[in-house]
Amino acid sequence: GENVEQHPSTLSVQEGDSAVIKCTYSDSASNYFPWYKQELGKRPQLIIDIRSNVGEKKDQRIAVTLNKTAKHFSLHITETQPEDSAVYFCAALNAGNMLTFGGGTRLMVKP
Amino acid sequence: GAVVSQHPSRVICKSGTSVKIECRSLDFQATTMFWYRQFPKKSLMLMATSNEGSKATYEQGVEKDKFLINHASLTLSTLTVTSAHPEDSSFYICSALTGGNYGYTFGSGTRLTVV
Repeated sequence: GENVEQHPSTLSVQEGDSAVIKCTYSDSASNYFPWYKQELGKRPQLIIDIRSNVGEKKDQRIAVTLNKTAKHFSLHITETQPEDSAVYFCAALNAGNMLTFGGGTRLMVKP
Repeated sequence: GAVVSQHPSRVICKSGTSVKIECRSLDFQATTMFWYRQFPKKSLMLMATSNEGSKATYEQGVEKDKFLINHASLTLSTLTVTSAHPEDSSFYICSALTGGNYGYTFGSGTRLTVV
């Protein structure tokens, strides 16, 4: 089955700096890659996603890149703010519509 | 947009009792519902996949007799934790495929504490 690895597990940045989180996946048939932000005790919230026919997607301060050949995708947050502090999860959706999550990254943005 | 309502949000129960968690799709038909478990500071782990009108498919290592899943209608799926033990204490969350465009919608989660 699919295996999704996510790094780093924790990331501390200064307000205004950029943050990058990287994920790799194993199933070359996976075709959809969402990123979720989860605050303590709450449901994961979709923040951005990318499909396998696209290499990059941007939404304001958030961007995601996908390298299908290398089977990795990354989340980029620019101009970080304290409210960006949360746990971020990458995920990969395989051909059977099964979503596999990465291990999560705890992002801390210091004011 | 698609909304999944999950109840209860928090529940405390005694060891040996059973707890039912409900997930309802409010404005769409959820033919497939996924149930996840999340331990503190850990990722979401898929427990089982339920399809309306058929038996749930459980992931390896998940006891189907302990975690009973029922998906009797297109808008309701339930997870019952039977004979709960303290090690069952966790955050349980459901997610439904909203159809088209790979949409996934999560419930708000249930924090179960077994004492």
